[in-house]
Amino acid sequence: EVQLVQSGAEVKKPGESLRISCKGSGYSFTSYWISWVRQMPGKGLEWMGRIDPSDSYTNYSPSFQGHVTISADKSISTAYLQWSSLKASDTAMYYCARLQQLAIDYWGQGTLVTVSS
Amino acid sequence: SYELTQPLSVSVALGQTARITCGGNNIGSKNVHWYQQKPGQAPVLVIYRDSNRPSGIPERFSGSNSGNTATLTISRAQAGDEADYYCQVWDSSNVVFGGGTKLTVL
Repeated sequence: EVQLVQSGAEVKKPGESLRISCKGSGYSFTSYWISWVRQMPGKGLEWMGRIDPSDSYTNYSPSFQGHVTISADKSISTAYLQWSSLKASDTAMYYCARLQQLAIDYWGQGTLVTVSS
Repeated sequence: SYELTQPLSVSVALGQTARITCGGNNIGSKNVHWYQQKPGQAPVLVIYRDSNRPSGIPERFSGSNSGNTATLTISRAQAGDEADYYCQVWDSSNVVFGGGTKLTVL
C-alpha cells in the first residue's frame, strides 16, 4: 500500500526555522516526483514545487522560489520542506504528494504549521 | 503564467447531475486532472487525464475536455459528494490548480 506519512503539527514563532517531513512507503521512492502543496485556512490548493528523489532535482513555483527549500533523502525515502525564517503568513496546512504522470495520485495527511508570536 | 478558472460554487439537487467547469486558454490541448477535497481531509484524485477514473472512484464521476473548457460531471449526485473540487494541469514545468469549486447537494 502506497503511503505518504507526514510529520506532526508545528507551532512556531516568526523568524524561527522549520523543517517538516514526508516519508514514502509501499513503492519505489526514487521512481516518482514528490510535490509540496500549501493550503491556507479556508483557501484553495497552491503548488509550491517538486523534487525528483532520484537526483534531488527541484523546481519551484515562482510564488515560492526563494522562500522555501525542498529536499529529499532517498536512503530513508523521505522528502522535506523547510523555511529559514517563518512569517505569520506561512500559517497553513502543507501536503506532500506523489506525482504520477503529472497528476497527484497520493497525498500525505497534511502537516499544520502555525506561526504566531 | 497559465490560469485555470472555476466557479466558486455549484449546487445540485440530490440525484441530479452536477457539472463543474474549469476554463483555461486552449485547455483542450492539456491533460486535466480533478480532485475532491472534503472538510478536514486531504484531496483525492477523482479524474486523471481528462476522463479516466482511478480505481475505487464511482462511475458516476466522469470528465471531458475540449477547447477552452474542461468539465467534471457527477451523475446521480449524493450527499457524500458534497466537497470542494479542484482542476489541475501541468504547464511550463509547474503544477497549476484551479481556484476550486464548492459543490452543494440540496
